[in-house]
Amino acid sequence: AQTVTQSQPEMSVQEAETVTLSCTYDTSESDYYLFWYKQPPSRQMILVIRQEAYKQQNATENRFSVNFQKAAKSFSLKISDSQLGDAAMYFCAYRTGRDDKIIFGKGTRLHILP
Amino acid sequence: DSGVTQTPKHLITATGQRVTLRCSPRSGDLSVYWYQQSLDQGLQFLIQYYNGEERAKGNILERFSAQQFPDLHSELNLSSLELGDSALYFCASSVKTTGHYNEQFFGPGTRLTVL
Repeated sequence: AQTVTQSQPEMSVQEAETVTLSCTYDTSESDYYLFWYKQPPSRQMILVIRQEAYKQQNATENRFSVNFQKAAKSFSLKISDSQLGDAAMYFCAYRTGRDDKIIFGKGTRLHILP
Repeated sequence: DSGVTQTPKHLITATGQRVTLRCSPRSGDLSVYWYQQSLDQGLQFLIQYYNGEERAKGNILERFSAQQFPDLHSELNLSSLELGDSALYFCASSVKTTGHYNEQFFGPGTRLTVL
């Protein structure tokens, strides 16, 4: 069975600094997707970034980028120039290429210090 | 606003009772997914419907059931409620075009409190 592990329950970063959130996953499949979702205090689930396993190039969305290490089954999220609005729970997530079921990690709560 | 609507926003009920959560997908989306977010279990997939038919099942309890109606809205029925069923229940929807990636758009969730 596929699993997603986030080893950092909480992290803090100074405003305008860079922070990296870690995620590892376990799968025997070769075709899958990885995601980072943001859940602010409003509880809305917001897709931050997506990575297809077949793509070697790391995905980037503005201040958000990932470091995808397929062999190591590692998928970290880097947030540059952290802003107060980035404060949220961040979930690493996995989806196979066969079906649409998303498996989530336990989450990392990110605090932004002014 | 994702375009997915869920009602009610909050629900407070007692143990042993039955409740129905409703979800309206984005216009044009054929697939509906239900997820449960609880303190104990985290965020977990419950069930998926595609165009009225059950497509995938996750860790959904036998006391829970769901359906998708011809107008594509979906309902999640929770019965014989227990304290541990208190959670945030999300609905998500996607277009579901075979062979292509389909982003799941999440609704705002229904907060269920069982007393």
